[in-house]
Amino acid sequence: EIVMTQSPATLSVSQGERATLSCRASQRVSSKIAWYQQKPGQAPRLLIYDASTRATAIPARFSGSGSGTEFTLTISSLQSEDSAVYYCQQYDNWPRTFGQGTKLEIK
Amino acid sequence: EVQLVESGGHLVQPGRSLRLSCTVSGFTFGDYAMSWVRQAPEKGLEWVGLIGSKTYGGTTQYAASVKGRFTISRDDSKSIAYLQMNSLKTEDTAVYYCSRGSGWLDYWDQGTLVTVSS
Repeated sequence: EIVMTQSPATLSVSQGERATLSCRASQRVSSKIAWYQQKPGQAPRLLIYDASTRATAIPARFSGSGSGTEFTLTISSLQSEDSAVYYCQQYDNWPRTFGQGTKLEIK
Repeated sequence: EVQLVESGGHLVQPGRSLRLSCTVSGFTFGDYAMSWVRQAPEKGLEWVGLIGSKTYGGTTQYAASVKGRFTISRDDSKSIAYLQMNSLKTEDTAVYYCSRGSGWLDYWDQGTLVTVSS
């Protein structure tokens, strides 16, 4: 099983600034990584797939990068509504696996 | 508009069974794999399993934690995906989500709570 490790566990960033979230895979997963946003009481929302492709209707301030084992989700010009937990997921191998999440707080 | 509506979650005793249903609309159900993901209280997301489209033989894959106890099936004529959960354990307590896809998951339902407790 591929283990996905996200860092940091919690990130506090000021509104208008940039947030950088990391995800590391225990083995190479090509670019088969997705990122999701989850707000309290809501289902996850797909942000990014194939490591860097934005999903439908996702604002351009969300961007993904990386390949192999190291991946990054960058949120530029943070807004208050970006406060959420963010998860990465690999789909290169079975079973599919998620990272443990990064909680993003907006100062 | 794509919609996924789940039903069937409730309180059940350990060792018993429960079936969740996920009814979809707004897309051609038979063309897509359907996945199940769960989230224990105050925990992260855990992939449970999926069923492929008929094009891919309707094959299933499961997480090790549920393999042999959970079964995913589908009825393309009714646009419904099912998660049959047998021999339930207290650690199966979670919100269960159905979602579209086998790789990235682009549409999710609102989730249904399954509580396993005596």
